[in-house]
Amino acid sequence: GNSVTQMEGPVTLSEEAFLTINCTYTATGYPSLFWYVQYPGEGLQLLLKATKADDKGSNKGFEATYRKETTSFHLEKGSVQVSDSAVYFCAFSPSGNTGKLIFGQGTTLQVKP
Amino acid sequence: NAGVTQTPKFQVLKTGQSMTLQCAQDMNHEYMSWYRQDPGMGLRLIHYSVGAGITDQGEVPNGYNVSRSTTEDFPLRLLSAAPSQTSVYFCASRLLTEAFFGQGTRLTVV
Repeated sequence: GNSVTQMEGPVTLSEEAFLTINCTYTATGYPSLFWYVQYPGEGLQLLLKATKADDKGSNKGFEATYRKETTSFHLEKGSVQVSDSAVYFCAFSPSGNTGKLIFGQGTTLQVKP
Repeated sequence: NAGVTQTPKFQVLKTGQSMTLQCAQDMNHEYMSWYRQDPGMGLRLIHYSVGAGITDQGEVPNGYNVSRSTTEDFPLRLLSAAPSQTSVYFCASRLLTEAFFGQGTRLTVV
Protein backbone atom coordinates (compact mmCIF):
# COMPACT_ATOMS: atom_id res chain seq x y z
CA GLY A 1 0.00 0.00 0.00
CA ASN A 2 0.91 3.67 0.01
CA SER A 3 3.47 4.71 2.61
CA VAL A 4 6.28 7.14 3.39
CA THR A 5 9.44 6.35 5.35
CA GLN A 6 11.56 9.13 6.80
CA MET A 7 14.80 8.92 8.66
CA GLU A 8 14.27 8.88 12.38
CA GLY A 9 15.13 11.87 14.46
CA PRO A 10 15.90 13.86 16.29
CA VAL A 11 18.62 15.32 14.13
CA THR A 12 20.89 17.74 15.98
CA LEU A 13 23.23 19.98 13.99
CA SER A 14 25.39 23.00 14.59
CA GLU A 15 24.57 26.22 12.78
CA GLU A 16 25.92 26.29 9.19
CA ALA A 17 26.10 22.50 8.97
CA PHE A 18 24.80 20.56 5.98
CA LEU A 19 21.40 18.93 6.37
CA THR A 20 20.01 15.81 4.75
CA ILE A 21 16.73 14.21 5.77
CA ASN A 22 16.02 11.02 3.86
CA CYS A 23 12.56 10.18 2.55
CA THR A 24 11.42 7.21 0.47
CA TYR A 25 7.91 6.40 -0.63
CA THR A 26 5.89 3.43 -1.79
CA ALA A 27 3.21 4.28 -4.31
CA THR A 28 1.93 3.28 -7.70
CA GLY A 29 1.93 5.57 -10.69
CA TYR A 30 3.26 9.10 -10.50
CA PRO A 31 2.56 10.72 -7.14
CA SER A 32 3.24 14.35 -6.30
CA LEU A 33 5.82 14.77 -3.53
CA PHE A 34 6.02 17.34 -0.74
CA TRP A 35 7.99 18.50 2.24
CA TYR A 36 6.04 20.22 5.02
CA VAL A 37 7.50 21.99 8.04
CA GLN A 38 5.92 22.44 11.46
CA TYR A 39 7.33 25.08 13.77
CA PRO A 40 6.64 24.72 17.50
CA GLY A 41 2.98 25.28 18.37
CA GLU A 42 1.93 25.80 14.77
CA GLY A 43 0.24 23.92 11.96
CA LEU A 44 2.03 22.52 8.94
CA GLN A 45 3.28 24.74 6.14
CA LEU A 46 4.28 23.63 2.68
CA LEU A 47 8.06 23.94 2.30
CA LEU A 48 8.51 22.64 -1.24
CA LYS A 49 7.01 20.28 -3.77
CA ALA A 50 7.72 18.34 -6.97
CA THR A 51 5.05 16.97 -9.23
CA LYS A 52 6.98 14.85 -11.73
CA ALA A 53 10.12 12.78 -11.98
CA ASP A 54 13.43 14.71 -11.92
CA ASP A 55 11.71 17.91 -10.76
CA LYS A 56 13.61 19.81 -8.08
CA GLY A 57 11.58 21.66 -5.49
CA SER A 58 13.30 24.51 -3.64
CA ASN A 59 12.44 27.14 -1.06
CA LYS A 60 14.28 29.08 1.68
CA GLY A 61 17.55 27.32 0.80
CA PHE A 62 16.01 23.83 1.05
CA GLU A 63 15.99 21.52 -1.97
CA ALA A 64 14.63 18.09 -2.83
CA THR A 65 14.71 16.17 -6.12
CA TYR A 66 12.00 13.73 -7.23
CA ARG A 67 13.88 10.48 -7.95
CA LYS A 68 11.46 7.98 -9.39
CA GLU A 69 14.12 5.31 -9.95
CA THR A 70 14.89 5.20 -6.22
CA THR A 71 11.41 6.38 -5.06
CA SER A 72 13.10 9.03 -2.97
CA PHE A 73 12.67 12.73 -2.19
CA HIS A 74 15.50 13.61 0.20
CA LEU A 75 15.52 17.09 1.76
CA GLU A 76 18.81 19.04 1.77
CA LYS A 77 20.08 22.40 2.90
CA GLY A 78 23.63 23.57 2.57
CA SER A 79 23.83 25.69 5.74
CA VAL A 80 21.20 25.41 8.45
CA GLN A 81 20.23 28.16 10.85
CA VAL A 82 18.83 28.06 14.38
CA SER A 83 15.53 29.27 12.92
CA ASP A 84 15.29 26.05 10.86
CA SER A 85 14.64 24.07 14.05
CA ALA A 86 11.29 22.40 13.46
CA VAL A 87 9.65 19.10 12.54
CA TYR A 88 9.88 18.17 8.86
CA PHE A 89 7.34 15.89 7.18
CA CYS A 90 7.70 14.15 3.86
CA ALA A 91 4.38 13.49 2.12
CA PHE A 92 2.91 12.43 -1.18
CA SER A 93 -0.35 12.64 -3.01
CA PRO A 94 -1.18 9.42 -4.88
CA SER A 95 -1.76 9.78 -8.59
CA GLY A 96 -5.39 10.18 -9.54
CA ASN A 97 -7.98 12.42 -7.94
CA THR A 98 -8.10 10.78 -4.52
CA GLY A 99 -7.85 13.88 -2.37
CA LYS A 100 -5.46 12.01 -0.07
CA LEU A 101 -2.13 13.20 1.28
CA ILE A 102 0.05 10.52 2.91
CA PHE A 103 2.60 11.65 5.52
CA GLY A 104 5.76 10.20 6.98
CA GLN A 105 6.27 10.16 10.72
CA GLY A 106 8.21 13.43 10.80
CA THR A 107 11.83 14.25 11.62
CA THR A 108 12.69 16.71 14.36
CA LEU A 109 15.59 19.01 13.54
CA GLN A 110 17.36 20.94 16.27
CA VAL A 111 20.01 23.44 15.23
CA LYS A 112 22.35 24.69 17.93
CA PRO A 113 24.21 28.03 17.76
CA ASN B 1 -7.16 36.09 4.14
CA ALA B 2 -8.34 33.53 6.72
CA GLY B 3 -7.36 30.28 4.96
CA VAL B 4 -8.29 27.28 7.12
CA THR B 5 -9.85 28.04 10.50
CA GLN B 6 -10.18 25.44 13.23
CA THR B 7 -12.07 25.82 16.48
CA PRO B 8 -11.59 25.33 19.34
CA LYS B 9 -7.80 25.51 19.82
CA PHE B 10 -7.90 23.53 23.07
CA GLN B 11 -10.51 21.20 24.56
CA VAL B 12 -10.74 18.88 27.53
CA LEU B 13 -13.44 16.21 27.47
CA LYS B 14 -14.53 13.54 29.86
CA THR B 15 -14.69 9.97 28.65
CA GLY B 16 -18.02 9.36 26.94
CA GLN B 17 -18.74 12.98 26.07
CA SER B 18 -19.35 14.03 22.51
CA MET B 19 -18.16 17.10 20.67
CA THR B 20 -17.61 18.57 17.24
CA LEU B 21 -14.36 20.06 16.00
CA GLN B 22 -15.07 22.79 13.49
CA CYS B 23 -13.14 23.44 10.29
CA ALA B 24 -13.88 26.14 7.73
CA GLN B 25 -11.99 27.27 4.65
CA ASP B 26 -12.56 30.31 2.47
CA MET B 27 -10.48 29.26 -0.55
CA ASN B 28 -13.22 27.30 -2.36
CA HIS B 29 -11.12 24.12 -2.22
CA GLU B 30 -12.82 20.87 -3.12
CA TYR B 31 -10.61 18.60 -1.02
CA MET B 32 -10.70 18.69 2.77
CA SER B 33 -9.22 16.28 5.30
CA TRP B 34 -8.87 15.61 9.00
CA TYR B 35 -5.66 14.28 10.52
CA ARG B 36 -4.54 13.42 13.99
CA GLN B 37 -0.96 13.91 15.10
CA ASP B 38 0.52 11.71 17.80
CA PRO B 39 4.18 11.57 18.93
CA GLY B 40 6.25 9.37 16.63
CA MET B 41 3.27 8.62 14.37
CA GLY B 42 3.29 11.53 11.97
CA LEU B 43 -0.09 12.63 10.68
CA ARG B 44 -2.69 9.94 10.21
CA LEU B 45 -5.69 10.53 7.99
CA ILE B 46 -9.05 10.18 9.75
CA HIS B 47 -11.58 11.18 7.08
CA TYR B 48 -11.48 13.15 3.89
CA SER B 49 -13.83 14.70 1.36
CA VAL B 50 -13.44 15.36 -2.36
CA GLY B 51 -16.41 17.70 -2.51
CA ALA B 52 -19.69 18.70 -0.88
CA GLY B 53 -21.76 15.62 -0.10
CA ILE B 54 -18.84 13.20 -0.58
CA THR B 55 -16.78 11.80 2.28
CA ASP B 56 -14.60 8.73 2.77
CA GLN B 57 -12.61 7.03 5.48
CA GLY B 58 -8.90 7.38 5.98
CA GLU B 59 -6.49 5.23 8.00
CA VAL B 60 -8.03 5.72 11.46
CA PRO B 61 -11.76 6.50 11.11
CA ASN B 62 -13.15 4.58 14.10
CA GLY B 63 -14.85 6.79 16.68
CA TYR B 64 -15.16 9.76 14.32
CA ASN B 65 -17.89 10.96 11.96
CA VAL B 66 -17.81 13.64 9.30
CA SER B 67 -20.20 15.32 6.91
CA ARG B 68 -19.70 17.88 4.15
CA SER B 69 -22.88 19.80 3.46
CA THR B 70 -21.07 22.83 2.04
CA THR B 71 -17.75 23.40 0.28
CA GLU B 72 -16.57 25.63 3.14
CA ASP B 73 -17.19 23.47 6.21
CA PHE B 74 -15.98 20.03 7.25
CA PRO B 75 -16.77 19.29 10.92
CA LEU B 76 -15.36 16.27 12.75
CA ARG B 77 -17.59 14.64 15.36
CA LEU B 78 -16.45 12.53 18.27
CA LEU B 79 -19.48 10.49 19.29
CA SER B 80 -18.22 9.11 22.61
CA ALA B 81 -14.77 10.37 23.51
CA ALA B 82 -12.12 7.92 24.71
CA PRO B 83 -8.66 8.57 26.21
CA SER B 84 -7.14 7.07 23.02
CA GLN B 85 -8.52 10.07 21.15
CA THR B 86 -6.26 12.44 23.06
CA SER B 87 -4.29 14.03 20.25
CA VAL B 88 -3.72 17.13 18.18
CA TYR B 89 -6.17 17.36 15.29
CA PHE B 90 -5.47 19.18 12.05
CA CYS B 91 -7.86 20.08 9.29
CA ALA B 92 -6.52 20.69 5.79
CA SER B 93 -7.91 21.84 2.49
CA ARG B 94 -6.34 21.26 -0.90
CA LEU B 95 -6.35 22.72 -4.34
CA LEU B 96 -4.81 20.22 -6.78
CA THR B 97 -1.44 19.63 -5.10
CA GLU B 98 -0.78 22.06 -2.24
CA ALA B 99 -2.55 21.51 1.11
CA PHE B 100 -3.26 24.30 3.59
CA PHE B 101 -3.53 23.44 7.27
CA GLY B 102 -5.36 24.93 10.18
CA GLN B 103 -3.57 25.74 13.45
CA GLY B 104 -4.76 22.56 15.11
CA THR B 105 -7.00 21.55 18.02
CA ARG B 106 -5.35 20.03 21.06
CA LEU B 107 -7.84 17.59 22.56
CA THR B 108 -7.42 15.86 25.91
CA VAL B 109 -9.84 13.14 27.00
CA VAL B 110 -9.74 12.33 30.70
